[in-house]
Amino acid sequence: DSGVTQTPKHLITATGQRVTLRCSPRSGDLSVYWYQQSLDQGLQFLIQYYNGEERAKGNILERFSAQQFPDLHSELNLSSLELGDSALYFCASSVFPGNEQFFGPGTRLTVL
Amino acid sequence: GQQVMQIPQYQHVQEGEDFTTYCNSSTTLSNIQWYKQRPGGHPVFLIQLVKSGEVKKQKRLTFQFGEAKKNSSLHITATQTTDVGTYFCAGGRTFNKFYFGSGTKLNVKP
Repeated sequence: DSGVTQTPKHLITATGQRVTLRCSPRSGDLSVYWYQQSLDQGLQFLIQYYNGEERAKGNILERFSAQQFPDLHSELNLSSLELGDSALYFCASSVFPGNEQFFGPGTRLTVL
Repeated sequence: GQQVMQIPQYQHVQEGEDFTTYCNSSTTLSNIQWYKQRPGGHPVFLIQLVKSGEVKKQKRLTFQFGEAKKNSSLHITATQTTDVGTYFCAGGRTFNKFYFGSGTKLNVKP
């Protein structure tokens, strides 16, 4: 158990819909990262927050947005969902940017 | 944009054989991290290399960071079935943004 929690574990929805994925980092970690992993693919970095502020952006679509709240938990919002958005979404946290990242168990999103 | 390339994509070995995966970047990296993802699991941090030419060992695993800080390798000696999984390197020019390699999927036949 990495100490990072993600909810929900599984999510099945339809095209065009909007979903919110939630992540609680390890106690004491200030940085949160979001990654997308499609079937048998690598990890695509989406976005990073540090202490509530956006620090870095990767290949995140305009339909996706995220935020980190004062209690340091983070949410990833995916809207106007398409079939290709089906993937495993991981959240990771670290004490500071650049430190080892602890990954949550992931949320498996299926768009039908 | 910056990319971290990793080869090979797949490696099938007989138990007891050695295994190496390589990570290459076109730009100088601030540091590099290695992760292992077991089938159905999440990535787990293995190690971080920061210094040019750094070599670190963890039991049967040897990690190297190139002199120019543009490449890295992970070598496993005498593989075991417990080594099965996908090995990812991750690096970036700054500590803020890490790019993961595409991973090397290791299969070990008993």
